Amino acid sequence: KAGVTQTPRYLIKTRGQQVTLSCSPISGHRSVSWYQQTPGQGLQFLFEYFSETQRNKGNFPGRFSGRQFSNSRSEMNVSTLELGDSALYLCASSLYFGRTGELFFGEGSRLTVL
Amino acid sequence: DQQVKQNSPSLSVQEGRISILNCDYTNSMFDYFLWYKKYPAEGPTFLISISSIKDKNEDGRFTVFLNKSAKHLSLHIVPSQPGDSAVYFCAARETGANNLFFGTGTRLTVIP
Repeated sequence: KAGVTQTPRYLIKTRGQQVTLSCSPISGHRSVSWYQQTPGQGLQFLFEYFSETQRNKGNFPGRFSGRQFSNSRSEMNVSTLELGDSALYLCASSLYFGRTGELFFGEGSRLTVL
Repeated sequence: DQQVKQNSPSLSVQEGRISILNCDYTNSMFDYFLWYKKYPAEGPTFLISISSIKDKNEDGRFTVFLNKSAKHLSLHIVPSQPGDSAVYFCAARETGANNLFFGTGTRLTVIP
């Protein structure tokens, strides 16, 4: 079956702009989470949605937001972009919430802020 | 504050030898530990996991060991193959949660 799909794969923005990233989970998966990967920081948890509800949130400023739709697809938005927001944004899906912890990741959206 | 730490950013081993990747954690509430492998331009892929009630889990060439008293886990790859060359991330999950805390990764290079 199809894996986790993220769009766009690459994008370039300038400081102050806003960006929206999209994620389509594996069919049947209801939990979608987002991670930010930067060099030297590993993957940092942004937030997680399950059944259209945000279940958990990481330690990121309010400029980072997300939502999940009834078909489990998810979007994340970053407003007022800063240079430090340049990163690979990874979406992951899982069948259940709070089970074995195995997440299935997409290939990511690489954001460059100039 | 990094709750999961991988102190070796890189590791090189000869093909056929053992690769040992290490990971330390600080949070006693972690109940599940996982290893992910990541190739360039791809998302991380799940490799192997272990519950906190076990001290060893084996899957083919991959074995994960957990030492709860030392808050340390390791991934052994035997024998190492050139296709194993990738970045390996250690991750941990708190009881009742679904999000993972990741280490910063170790780049493994297997030399043919």
